[in-house]
Parts: sequence; structure tokens; C-alpha cells
Amino acid sequence: DADVTQTPRNRITKTGKRIMLECSQTKGHDRMYWYRQDPGLGLRLIYYSFDVKDINKGEISDGYSVSRQAQAKFSLSLESAIPNQTALYFCATSDLAGVSGELFFGEGSRLTVL
Amino acid sequence: GDSVTQMEGPVTLSEEAFLTINCTYTATGYPSLFWYVQYPGEGLQLLLKATKADDKGSNKGFEATYRKETTSFHLEKGSVQVSDSAVYFCALSGLYNQGGKLIFGQGTELSVKP
Repeated sequence: DADVTQTPRNRITKTGKRIMLECSQTKGHDRMYWYRQDPGLGLRLIYYSFDVKDINKGEISDGYSVSRQAQAKFSLSLESAIPNQTALYFCATSDLAGVSGELFFGEGSRLTVL
Repeated sequence: GDSVTQMEGPVTLSEEAFLTINCTYTATGYPSLFWYVQYPGEGLQLLLKATKADDKGSNKGFEATYRKETTSFHLEKGSVQVSDSAVYFCALSGLYNQGGKLIFGQGTELSVKP
């Protein structure tokens, strides 16, 4: 089983719908992240969490919200989806110190908003 | 703010050709530098890293040297294989990034033909 699991892997929805992307991890890491990948733009950070009580906005948080339900679970919500939120979304984790800088990624959730 | 710029793709090479993917960065202080690879349908995984000037990261035949004087971290491989076809991301972890919050370049797609 993957260490970082994202669900759903693919989702097609309509404008205005609420969508939740879920991420769970078995690595025991405290730090979790949500990134968005768009062609030609690389990965951009949406939100990150250093522990259950610590949630921080990334560079593109508008239109998104998150919930850290437990150390192992970090969900991303789109309250009212719009077409320019069509993208590939990645959850990632890192260890407490983050000193190594290594992130461990899930396989991604492809979201299409019509 | 901190940023990473990669050469544009896609890059198409024949098997056994020499590969260079250019990466330059702008950062405050002395960041750690990384190359991540994304194989088709998968999440990103760490390929190699360097944490200080003149360090050379290497893995799977790939190498990159942290050049402070040119603010560069170019990825090289002497002889590419079809299995190296993927998207490659350069990233940095800045001095004040609070550990693990990486800034990514836009990615460079590599296609290796038999």
C-alpha cells in the first residue's frame, strides 16, 4: 500500500459544486501539504499543516479550505468549484524537522470542473 | 521572493544521449536544492539533493552540482534510457522556509526514444 494515499484519484464535477479531496498517510509524519500542478506552472502550494493544530495558507489558498482531522489525515475542500480549479492536486508529507527537505507525495487527484 | 526557473520542455532525446536540464534559482541566503522526478501517472519522488555550495547530488546515474556563483543546479546524465522519460522538477528549500515547504520550478518533460 502507498504511504500517502489520495482519494478520489479522478473526479469530474460541475461549477458551483462542493468537492473534498482526502489524503491519508502512514509515514507518521507531522507535516502535510496540498499542492496544485498546472502545465507550465509547476507545483504551487495551497495549504500546509505542521501539526493537527497548525494550519497555514500557501501561495494560492483563495477558493480552498483544509481540515487536519488527525495526524494522518489532511483534507482539501473546494467550497464552490470553478473551471480554473481544474488541475492535478497532490498531497505530500515531510518529517518533523523537515531538515532533509524531502517531501513524500501521493499519486495525485485529477479534478475537472466543467 | 525565492524562485526557481527551469529550461522549457519538452526535451526529446535518443537513447544513450547526454542529458542536461538547466535550473537556476533566486533565493535569500543559502537554500537547499533538489531535483524531483514524476513518472507518468505517479506522484513526485526525490531524485537527488544538495544542501550547500559545491555539493554534488547523485542518484540513478543523474548528477547535479550546487553552484552558488552562478545560482544554478543543472541536472545531467551521461546516457539516458527510455525509462528516464518523465517530468523533472527543480526545487529549493529556502533559509526561512520553515522546513519542507519547497518552491518548485515549472517542470521539464523529457522523452527518450529508442
